[in-house]
Amino acid sequence: DQQVKQNSPSLSVQEGRISILNCDYTNSMFDYFLWYKKYPAEGPTFLISISSIKDKNEDGRFTVFLNKSAKHLSLHIVPSQPGDSAVYFCAASGHYGQNFVFGPGTRLSVLP
Amino acid sequence: KAGVTQTPRYLIKTRGQQVTLSCSPISGHRSVSWYQQTPGQGLQFLFEYFSETQRNKGNFPGRFSGRQFSNSRSEMNVSTLELGDSALYLCASSLSSPKMDTQYFGPGTRLTVL
Repeated sequence: DQQVKQNSPSLSVQEGRISILNCDYTNSMFDYFLWYKKYPAEGPTFLISISSIKDKNEDGRFTVFLNKSAKHLSLHIVPSQPGDSAVYFCAASGHYGQNFVFGPGTRLSVLP
Repeated sequence: KAGVTQTPRYLIKTRGQQVTLSCSPISGHRSVSWYQQTPGQGLQFLFEYFSETQRNKGNFPGRFSGRQFSNSRSEMNVSTLELGDSALYLCASSLSSPKMDTQYFGPGTRLTVL
């Protein structure tokens, strides 16, 4: 039973447009959420995080939105660039820093 | 500052054998976590070590074990290998906690069990 779900295994977006990656979770005890980006043959790289006391966090082209009532978060990338093409993982953690749970990932392709 | 390093990068073993993977965290980082990545499963948390003690553990059988040394380097051991253990094993380090501080991942060790 996956506690963190990323229902879209892949997503293609035109360069310059918005990329929206979605993530759903089932455990209401999660209160800290992160997004990681992974290129082939490299380990994941931290992108952005959000605490459950917020509903939005922005860092440059990347914005994460959290809807606690829907147990849903999303990552927006605006504008999308070809270098953003990678696998994006959503992750969640409990209040006391318990095990990080990762989603299966979404492969984003940004087309020139 | 050097990143997280993992050795070896690639490993081929046969069923029933055991394997030891090594992880050197970023200098000054005391927390080391291990993850298993398989297609379709994403990253699954194995365990986390801090100050030579296992602090958190995921839902993996006892064949998976680890340890951390006084210099924060960590090793992961898998005994009695099974075909399903074929995966990318990732190590991540953080200053004191993967929640309080950013986790930095190594490139991983690709284990193939034949």
